[in-house]
Amino acid sequence: DAGVIQSPRHEVTEMGQEVTLRCKPISGHNSLFWYRQTMMRGLELLIYFNNNVPIDDSGMPEDRFSAKMPNASFSTLKIQPSEPRDSAVYFCASRLSDRTDTQYFGPGTRLTVL
Amino acid sequence: DQQVKQNSPSLSVQEGRISILNCDYTNSMFDYFLWYKKYPAEGPTFLISISSIKDKNEDGRFTVFLNKSAKHLSLHIVPSQPGDSAVYFCAASRDGSSNTGKLIFGQGTTLQVKP
Repeated sequence: DAGVIQSPRHEVTEMGQEVTLRCKPISGHNSLFWYRQTMMRGLELLIYFNNNVPIDDSGMPEDRFSAKMPNASFSTLKIQPSEPRDSAVYFCASRLSDRTDTQYFGPGTRLTVL
Repeated sequence: DQQVKQNSPSLSVQEGRISILNCDYTNSMFDYFLWYKKYPAEGPTFLISISSIKDKNEDGRFTVFLNKSAKHLSLHIVPSQPGDSAVYFCAASRDGSSNTGKLIFGQGTTLQVKP
């Protein structure tokens, strides 16, 4: 299995620009999670989907952040406009079903906003 | 309010000895606990888990202990190997969250195993 795939692995952009992070979950998994890791806040959940439907987006910091899951094999996290404080590592994770709590993480996208 | 806490940011252990990583939680509704290991430039990888109906779960060199009355869990690695050097995250999920999957993570503990 290829595991969770994220792209790009690194992104450097300037303040005010739009950033789109991409995720391909493990095939057959029906839940997808977006996390952000920072030194100050650790690993925090931003949003998660079950069967492509957003279930809880209470962790999304601001309206500048949005996430979509148009189909079972693809999700995006968009930041528009980006700010320096958005600099972090963003992880995507997927889960097989609602009968397990184990999530499998992608390698992450390191975002730097100048 | 941090519901899952790992109070030791780092731990250094000699190869072959036992490593003990600790985790405390505040929410008595948590019913499932997981440990993840993270190497630099990689995502966290699942290591071991325990349900609140148990007090111990073992998988090879890794054992997780749960003390519900103290709201405390620990991960024991015996014997420790240099390849175990990584950041370890404790995570918890709430009652009924198997249908939602929401995990609450601790801040992580960096383990260094010296040869």
